[in-house]
Amino acid sequence: QLVLTQSPSASASLGASVKLTCTLSSGHSTYAIAWHQQQPEKGPRYLMKLNSDGSHSRGDGIPDRFSGSSSGAERYLTISSLQSDDEADYYCQTWGTDIRVFGGGTKLTVL
Amino acid sequence: EVKLVESGGGLVQPGGSLKLSCAASGFSFSGSAMHWVRQASGKGLEWVGRIRNKANTYATAYAASVKGRFTLSRDDSKNTAFLQMNSLKTEDTAVYYCAPERDDGSGYFDYWGQGTLVTVSS
Repeated sequence: QLVLTQSPSASASLGASVKLTCTLSSGHSTYAIAWHQQQPEKGPRYLMKLNSDGSHSRGDGIPDRFSGSSSGAERYLTISSLQSDDEADYYCQTWGTDIRVFGGGTKLTVL
Repeated sequence: EVKLVESGGGLVQPGGSLKLSCAASGFSFSGSAMHWVRQASGKGLEWVGRIRNKANTYATAYAASVKGRFTLSRDDSKNTAFLQMNSLKTEDTAVYYCAPERDDGSGYFDYWGQGTLVTVSS
């Protein structure tokens, strides 16, 4: 079964960097994912597509402070030079034939 | 500029029906697959279903939680996607978003609408 696992919460200081993790279920370690951001009281926003080899392509207008990387079944989103409006929920998403799957989301707090 | 505007949400009783619309602009609607995703208050994102483009025979797929109750359709002449929801349950209460898969088959959504709230309650 295709499942994505995310830690429920993370925190980091203003100006620092943070690395969020999304783990693919067993047997799905070669899958690409997408990262989406959802700020409080807003709709989601696409950040990037991330491949198993770590290559990634950001969405329109997404700054290069947002980057992705991969290792085995883990997919990472790194946000550098944290700003206050980076405080949001971050969801990873993947896909199979006739199915789309979201991780449970990570709530990022910027201290 | 890509724009997605959902409408049609509101209050409906359990067992009732509602039809949501998603008006799209700024991209090739006819070439895209269109998805619906929902989010209950305080919860995460849940994929609802997808309708593919004409080249892929408008094929539909649904989450197990809505299969047999919800139906996806589209009108490419009006750049609009629809979500018909029947036999609604209280657990269907959520904000419903539409999202295009602009490269049908790519797997991910690179734009999102702002959502429309559906409340199922007596």
